[in-house]
Amino acid sequence: AQSVTQPDIHITVSEGASLELRCNYSYGATPYLFWYVQSPGQGLQLLLKYFSGDTLVQGIKGFEAEFKRSQSSFNLRKPSVHWSDAAEYFCAVAPGNNNDMRFGAGTRLTVKP
Amino acid sequence: DAGITQSPRHKVTETGTPVTLRCHQTENHRYMYWYRQDPGHGLRLIHYSYGVKDTDKGEVSDGYSVSRSKTEDFLLTLESATSSQTSVYFCAISLRDRGTDTQYFGPGTRLTVL
Repeated sequence: AQSVTQPDIHITVSEGASLELRCNYSYGATPYLFWYVQSPGQGLQLLLKYFSGDTLVQGIKGFEAEFKRSQSSFNLRKPSVHWSDAAEYFCAVAPGNNNDMRFGAGTRLTVKP
Repeated sequence: DAGITQSPRHKVTETGTPVTLRCHQTENHRYMYWYRQDPGHGLRLIHYSYGVKDTDKGEVSDGYSVSRSKTEDFLLTLESATSSQTSVYFCAISLRDRGTDTQYFGPGTRLTVL
């Protein structure tokens, strides 16, 4: 079965600094890859997804992610973090039919003023 | 917002009591999912449904049952709640979006089993 690893449990960045959240996956074929964000007490909101084509995908809120097949990675980036980006971020991998989606354990982002 | 509501939003119950959580959607989506979220584990799939009366198990289905008697409602039942089932439960639907099946999530139900 596929699996997802988010190596960083907690990251702190200063407002205005750049951000990169790491995600590595294990899967036998090219999976569908997702990043979700969860604010405290809220559900998950889709930031972006990759399924084929251009390996650099753009999402909402100024986020982007790059799929690197050779590294089995799908890292999330943002050039300049805003205080409102403080949240928990989840990477997920799924086969085409979504019925076995696996999530990473999440990375909690703190933004310093 | 994929038109998903969950009820109740918060529940405290005692060990051994039955509990039913409801997921309701208004947009006739075929696929619905129940996940639990626990620190250090992300979200894990409990059960999913691919139509009325059609359900299947997920990664952590032990101790849970589901039912879907109509398209809009997907019920998760803990027949006899245990403290290990204290968690936040999320419902999701899947819809075809720009060539991929993508899951969208409800607001969650926080369940505490004492």
